[in-house]
Amino acid sequence: AQTVTQSQPEMSVQEAETVTLSCTYDTSENNYYLFWYKQPPSRQMILVIRQEAYKQQNATENRFSVNFQKAAKSFSLKISDSQLGDTAMYFCAFMKGSQGGKLIFGQGTELSVKP
Amino acid sequence: DAGVIQSPRHEVTEMGQEVTLRCKPISGHDYLFWYRQTMMRGLELLIYFNNNVPIDDSGMPEDRFSAKMPNASFSTLKIQPSEPRDSAVYFCASNSPGQSYNEQFFGPGTRLTVL
Repeated sequence: AQTVTQSQPEMSVQEAETVTLSCTYDTSENNYYLFWYKQPPSRQMILVIRQEAYKQQNATENRFSVNFQKAAKSFSLKISDSQLGDTAMYFCAFMKGSQGGKLIFGQGTELSVKP
Repeated sequence: DAGVIQSPRHEVTEMGQEVTLRCKPISGHDYLFWYRQTMMRGLELLIYFNNNVPIDDSGMPEDRFSAKMPNASFSTLKIQPSEPRDSAVYFCASNSPGQSYNEQFFGPGTRLTVL
């Protein structure tokens, strides 16, 4: 069975600084997707970034980037130039296969961006 | 598109009562997922459908829970009888993997409180 672990329950960062959230996962699959979802206080789940396991290049979306280390089964999220609106719970998630299927979530990291 | 629609947004009921949660997926999406979020267990999949057919219901906690998808635009999650430990936020999500690179689009959630 696949598992996802986020070892940082809470983190804080000053506005405009950079922060990295950690995620590790365990799987015997070779084909899978990894995601970071953001859940602000409104509780809406919002996709931040995705990574296909077969791609070696790390995904980037504006201020958000990942460090995907397939051999180490590590998938960290870097937020650059942190903004107050980045304050939220961040969930790392794993999906097996290439088409469809359930997400397996980590426990979440609560990020606070301080002015 | 209005996104995934869930109703009600909040539900307060008494132990032993029947609860029905409703979901309208994004038009054209062929996968529909029900997730539950609690402090103790985090985000976990309950069941998911592909083309209205249940594919994986291994996360459904017990016989008190049932889910249906009578057509492509509607799904229900029913709890009968409800218990205080069912108190949680229930999310519905949908996607069409070939169109959205496996991104799942979440509804706003239903916060259920069982007294």
